Amino acid sequence: GDSVTQMEGPVTLSEEAFLTINCTYTATGYPSLFWYVQYPGEGLQLLLKATKADDKGSNKGFEATYRKETTSFHLEKGSVQVSDSAVYFCALSDRGNYGGSQGNLIFGKGTKLSVKP
Amino acid sequence: KAGVTQTPRYLIKTRGQQVTLSCSPISGHRSVSWYQQTPGQGLQFLFEYFSETQRNKGNFPGRFSGRQFSNSRSEMNVSTLELGDSALYLCASSDTGNQPQHFGDGTRLSIL
Repeated sequence: GDSVTQMEGPVTLSEEAFLTINCTYTATGYPSLFWYVQYPGEGLQLLLKATKADDKGSNKGFEATYRKETTSFHLEKGSVQVSDSAVYFCALSDRGNYGGSQGNLIFGKGTKLSVKP
Repeated sequence: KAGVTQTPRYLIKTRGQQVTLSCSPISGHRSVSWYQQTPGQGLQFLFEYFSETQRNKGNFPGRFSGRQFSNSRSEMNVSTLELGDSALYLCASSDTGNQPQHFGDGTRLSIL
């Protein structure tokens, strides 16, 4: 079945450091890919998305490119801030060959990021 | 525009009881999905409702059920609670199910 694998945390960085969180996926159809972020005590917030190969999603300085050849969707940010400390989830939604809904997301295990001043 | 609202935020139950959780989606959204989040299993899809019909279902026992009303509000029910049902239950809504999902802050269920 479909699955998402992301690097285990926790990841600890100093402010202004470069961030990469690796994410790879397995899917039978044509997945859309997402990064969500979860702050303590809150639900998930959509950070960025990409719906087809070679799409680049970006938001708030974060970027990720949908690489079909390597089945990857790595999250990057050039200069992290203390406020970026959170848990990051990579997810996919596979409509398969039947055009079904994206109402069921498949998530990676999450990567906890801590940024120190 | 108000976000996804889940009630209650916290709930404590004992084994064998049943519980109902509520989710009000963003106005105009017709798709509501439910997820269970635990430290061990992570985020797992429970089911999705669209226009009062269950459209997708995850791999959970029949003790987990849900429904959606004509105003798109959704409820999730868990019967015969077990210790392992302790989790954060998240609800997400989207326009048609084919747009990114917007999540509520969740209901944290603790089973004693």
